[in-house]
Amino acid sequence: DAGITQSPRHKVTETGTPVTLRCHQTENHRYMYWYRQDPGHGLRLIHYSYGVKDTDKGEVSDGYSVSRSKTEDFLLTLESATSSQTSVYFCAVTWQADNYGYTFGSGTRLTVV
Amino acid sequence: GEDVEQSLFLSVREGDSSVINCTYTDSSSTYLYWYKQEPGAGLQLLTYIFSNMDMKQDQRLTVLLNKKDKHLSLRIADTQTGDSAIYFCAESKPGGGSQGNLIFGKGTKLSVKP
Repeated sequence: DAGITQSPRHKVTETGTPVTLRCHQTENHRYMYWYRQDPGHGLRLIHYSYGVKDTDKGEVSDGYSVSRSKTEDFLLTLESATSSQTSVYFCAVTWQADNYGYTFGSGTRLTVV
Repeated sequence: GEDVEQSLFLSVREGDSSVINCTYTDSSSTYLYWYKQEPGAGLQLLTYIFSNMDMKQDQRLTVLLNKKDKHLSLRIADTQTGDSAIYFCAESKPGGGSQGNLIFGKGTKLSVKP
């Protein structure tokens, strides 16, 4: 699993509260991605990072922010959680974009009530 | 455009072959992938094919790529109950960052009946 750990694995939170999800990797991957998975939508890119402090928006970035202060950690923050952000969140990593080496974490199931 | 289409469901009998189809729209895609997701788990890379290849075989898996029609298929020979999962087709593009991002289809749920 390329040493990827997502935490927490499950979380229930209330509408309006901030939530931070963590992706931790131990193999010095340069590129890190956050996706959300929803029924009928497959996986959609939220934000990605191409190095420390280098991040950019993906397809569905509204309501989310990210930070990458060190190579191994990529944090996804829901600034004020809404029910529409109930989803399963996956982190993915790769050394070099556009190759076969994308590896996914096990996911975080987030429920916003 | 960036759109990857797959049928949502496929049901086969154990021992038969399964064929999961995918179409994509972006001819600049460099790699095409098949991922497998078992219930409650993350995505596991099954196989991939570079865009200048027509076919790739890996044990029970055969990937066919028709670049002219932008059609990708995954054939699983001798399908087993352990193959029951959701299969995602994905494409990636040249470059880094979001251009190296994977664009996923919605997934095909494969059910294998004993």
